[in-house]
This record gives sequence, C-alpha cells and structure tokens, in this order.
Amino acid sequence: GESVGLHLPTLSVQEGDNSIINCAYSNSASDYFIWYKQESGKGPQFIIDIRSNMDKRQGQRVTVLLNKTVKHLSLQIAATQPGDSAVYFCAENTGTASKLTFGTGTRLQVTL
Amino acid sequence: KAGVTQTPRYLIKTRGQQVTLSCSPISGHRSVSWYQQTPGQGLQFLFEYFSETQRNKGNFPGRFSGRQFSNSRSEMNVSTLELGDSALYLCASSFQRGGTDTQYFGPGTRLTVL
Repeated sequence: GESVGLHLPTLSVQEGDNSIINCAYSNSASDYFIWYKQESGKGPQFIIDIRSNMDKRQGQRVTVLLNKTVKHLSLQIAATQPGDSAVYFCAENTGTASKLTFGTGTRLQVTL
Repeated sequence: KAGVTQTPRYLIKTRGQQVTLSCSPISGHRSVSWYQQTPGQGLQFLFEYFSETQRNKGNFPGRFSGRQFSNSRSEMNVSTLELGDSALYLCASSFQRGGTDTQYFGPGTRLTVL
C-alpha cells in the first residue's frame, strides 16, 4: 500500500476501547477544522468537521473537540473497531480559500 | 454520486521528463485543489482552481502548474521532473470556494521519478 508517513506517531488501542487522537493547529485565525482518515492506498476520507464558533461536535461514533485557547483539536472514536485502523489527519482552513493546512498525522492501530 | 476520480493511478517517469495528471471532481463541484503527499513533508497544498482560474498557489516552484476546464475537470503538470517530485498527488473537490466547504479527495496518483 501507499506509504503515508514513515515516522508517524502511533496510537495503539484494543478493539472496543475508545480512542483519542490529538492535534495542535498553528493558525489562530483558522475558522474551520476537519478530520480525515486515510487508509493504505486511498485518499483522505472526510470524517467530521467543526467551525470555530463551536467547541464540540458529534457524529456517528466520533466526536471532535476544539479548544481555541490552546489551539488544540481532538478526535474521539467510541468503541474502536479494526476498520478504524488508518492514519488520521487534522486539517485547518482560513477565510474563503479552499486551501487546507494539514497536521502530520497519527497512525491508529486497533488490536484484537 | 460518483466520487473524485484521478488518472492515472500510478505513473513512473525519469528525471527531466514532464507529466500530466488528471482529476474529475464530484458532479456539481466547481472548486478543485491539488495536494502533494510525501513521507517527509506530509500533505502540502499545491494550488486551487475555481471557474477555470487559479485562486491560490502553495510554495512550489514554477515547474508545477495546472489548469481547469469549463466542466470543472482539472489537470496538473510537472515539468523537468526531479527525484524529489516522487509523491502521491491528491486532488480534492468542493461545491464552491470557501473555508467551510468540505473538500472531498480522490484516491491520488502515485508518481515515481527514477
């Protein structure tokens, strides 16, 4: 498969446990944040997004938390499944451009 | 609705050659952005097209160029290829320009420069 990142931080969790993936963003002017999941051989897949006027948003099994004070974003995955194994990226955007700035990514490994 | 498609999926070139990659956005999407993904640099923004005009450009040399057609399909071109251009090139589309408009990615084109 594709080599997304050779030296990514790795989070290893057991199936059924909750996962928390963290991300520090750089631009205090960013107003839109997205989490993407990338599996080997595929492009990034949209998971969930949040606007800067919110501090929490929930989806199906996923929750994103935004702390603008410390410029921190987190993705929580409930009841992690083997199919959740992938590299997760946070991305930020500012203004009117479709120009995402991506974090370095975290590899999530789900053990049985 | 079909997703973003990119062709070709894999490409092998030699240094000094040029290459053209193609991207077809999701039907109805008018904004197309290109990104380069490498193990060392991660995902980096190349450029954005909307209504056949380049709206934004990342920090890449002029060897990297692109265009968008009236049907929103986009191509990117890399001339005088270097070994460091080996990467996964990703295309993303969104309905319109806008920081809060979700970008959806294609599977990418894996370019290897020998």
